[in-house]
Amino acid sequence: SQTIHQWPATLVQPVGSPLSLECTVEGTSNPNLYWYRQAAGRGLQLLFYSVGIGQISSEVPQNLSASRPQDRQFILSSKKLLLSDSGFYLCAWNRDSYEQYFGPGTRLTVT
Amino acid sequence: QKEVEQNSGPLSVPEGAIASLNCTYSDRVSQSFFWYRQYSGKSPELIMSIYSNGDKEDGRFTAQLNKASQYVSLLIRDSQPSDSATYLCAVRPNAGNNRKLIWGLGTSLAVNP
Repeated sequence: SQTIHQWPATLVQPVGSPLSLECTVEGTSNPNLYWYRQAAGRGLQLLFYSVGIGQISSEVPQNLSASRPQDRQFILSSKKLLLSDSGFYLCAWNRDSYEQYFGPGTRLTVT
Repeated sequence: QKEVEQNSGPLSVPEGAIASLNCTYSDRVSQSFFWYRQYSGKSPELIMSIYSNGDKEDGRFTAQLNKASQYVSLLIRDSQPSDSATYLCAVRPNAGNNRKLIWGLGTSLAVNP
């Protein structure tokens, strides 16, 4: 069966510091991968999605970036965090169907 | 702009009752529809997907789709306190190879013992 991992689970970072969140999927190959952010009391905002290694589509202009260095690895990064980057970051995957399956998430607080 | 709308709630029902959650969408050519449950502080988990008009049942959950009226609903029979969560509706907006989903803001459900 497939499993999706995210780490870290929680993170507290000061404004202006860098960020790196990692997501990995096990038990499948060539998945579609997605990064979402869910701010407090708000809906799911799609940030990036990827259909293959090195292929990244950006949905919202911001100070975040994403990379996919390996087939089942998806990384979300920032060079300088803003207060508005606080939120619950979720990685999701799908492959042959349209249902998306989420990882456990990373709760980021920027102070 | 393609939208998915849900009543934010909270929807409060007594234990054992039927909870009815509704979702409307703006894109008439939407093809696929999904209901997710999200407990506080946790990630969303898929409950049901529905692709054709009519009802689809899975245990205590029934999804209902009416493409002509552009709404999809989720019924939870014999509601339990453990069903208390936010329910997210998601829609795949059009045909083709687009795998992105449009999300509603969710309806908060409280099942009272």
